[in-house]
Amino acid sequence: GQQVMQIPQYQHVQEGEDFTTYCNSSTTLSNIQWYKQRPGGHPVFLIQLVKSGEVKKQKRLTFQFGEAKKNSSLHITATQTTDVGTYFCVVAGSYQLTFGKGTKLSVIP
Amino acid sequence: GAVVSQHPSWVICKSGTSVKIECRSLDFQATTMFWYRQFPKQSLMLMATSNEGSKATYEQGVEKDKFLINHASLTLSTLTVTSAHPEDSSFYICSAMGLPQETQYFGPGTRLLVL
Repeated sequence: GQQVMQIPQYQHVQEGEDFTTYCNSSTTLSNIQWYKQRPGGHPVFLIQLVKSGEVKKQKRLTFQFGEAKKNSSLHITATQTTDVGTYFCVVAGSYQLTFGKGTKLSVIP
Repeated sequence: GAVVSQHPSWVICKSGTSVKIECRSLDFQATTMFWYRQFPKQSLMLMATSNEGSKATYEQGVEKDKFLINHASLTLSTLTVTSAHPEDSSFYICSAMGLPQETQYFGPGTRLLVL
């Protein structure tokens, strides 16, 4: 079945540094969604990308979908302590969801 | 690593029947389990949060009497869709949070089709 590899698994950054998490697939993806889960909370939907080469921004967050639609990234500029959490990529197909394992972000004040 | 299973993975039922979906944490104790619903190509929508031994907390707009959740043990939560209708056809996913409450593990999901 479809698999999505997400890296890194963990990332520790100093507050103010940038952060990037990547999702890669060996197959072409129809779309990709990104979720953020705060410690102790449930994943919250951030964004969905569907077009080849698509780039979307939400304040300090930049989401990209690769030209070949086989990879995606989430980049956070100048991290803040409120960015702490686990970021998941998810491929939402018609018949199944495929989850990345998540990247757990720690921000050191 | 931690594994969460769901059973069944697929279910087709007639309108008016009830369907029970099980979510199990296989190698850890889950004090909290979450139930999500997802329509094709849409985002996950949280339905309810289930804590072991207590009543589930439902999100706004989710009918408690229609979607019965039971979290009877630290490794099992069940979602029962009562008197299912075609509009209940969806993908239902559970996730389980173990101790310490850091990482949430998703189940593989259950596809429900109501005819």
